[in-house]
Amino acid sequence: GAGVSQSPRYKVAKRGQDVALRCDPISGHVSLFWYQQALGQGPEFLTYFQNEAQLDKSGLPSDRFFAERPEGSVSTLKIQRTQQEDSAVYLCASSPTAPGYEQYFGPGTRLTVT
Amino acid sequence: EDKVVQSPLSLVVHEGDTVTLNCSYEVTNFRSLLWYKQEKKAPTFLFMLTSSGIEKKSGRLSSILDKKELFSILNITATQTGDSAVYLCATLNRDDKIIFGKGTRLHILP
Repeated sequence: GAGVSQSPRYKVAKRGQDVALRCDPISGHVSLFWYQQALGQGPEFLTYFQNEAQLDKSGLPSDRFFAERPEGSVSTLKIQRTQQEDSAVYLCASSPTAPGYEQYFGPGTRLTVT
Repeated sequence: EDKVVQSPLSLVVHEGDTVTLNCSYEVTNFRSLLWYKQEKKAPTFLFMLTSSGIEKKSGRLSSILDKKELFSILNITATQTGDSAVYLCATLNRDDKIIFGKGTRLHILP
């Protein structure tokens, strides 16, 4: 069955470049979450969507980070002017309920900024 | 500041042993506690605990929540090499905020 998919799986960016990470949630899932996971750490919450509405973006580390989910399905996390500290795995999760107790995670995108 | 603390950070045991992983939390407006297993990439959901003292069980895994003492444990009996993973604990509060602990890295020796 189709789970949560993310693309690209790996991304290498030079410092200063903009990147866009895509998340395709499970069809019909209401909630969508983005997390940032550094090596050896648990996922850190970035932002949360309920359908197309971004209800919480308190975890976004700076104004270089921007997320959208315009039609309440696919979501894109954009990072402008990437810096080395942005290197991490970016996980997307979706849930059939709001706020989303049972989350289904995608495989993640590993971003390396050189 | 809200926080979720897991212990131990890492654990190495032999196949067949029983392990207990700990999760303590200090979270405003706590609603539920969640356990996940993370192998290569994405965490997979194990349990959601909302009520104190009620054990949730799935095969060799079980978990219980103590809302008075603010902790949860995850037990794995008769461990197998396939149980090797990072086990993540997370809390969900009434403002829909999810906070993860750093995880316990479990390694099962054959």
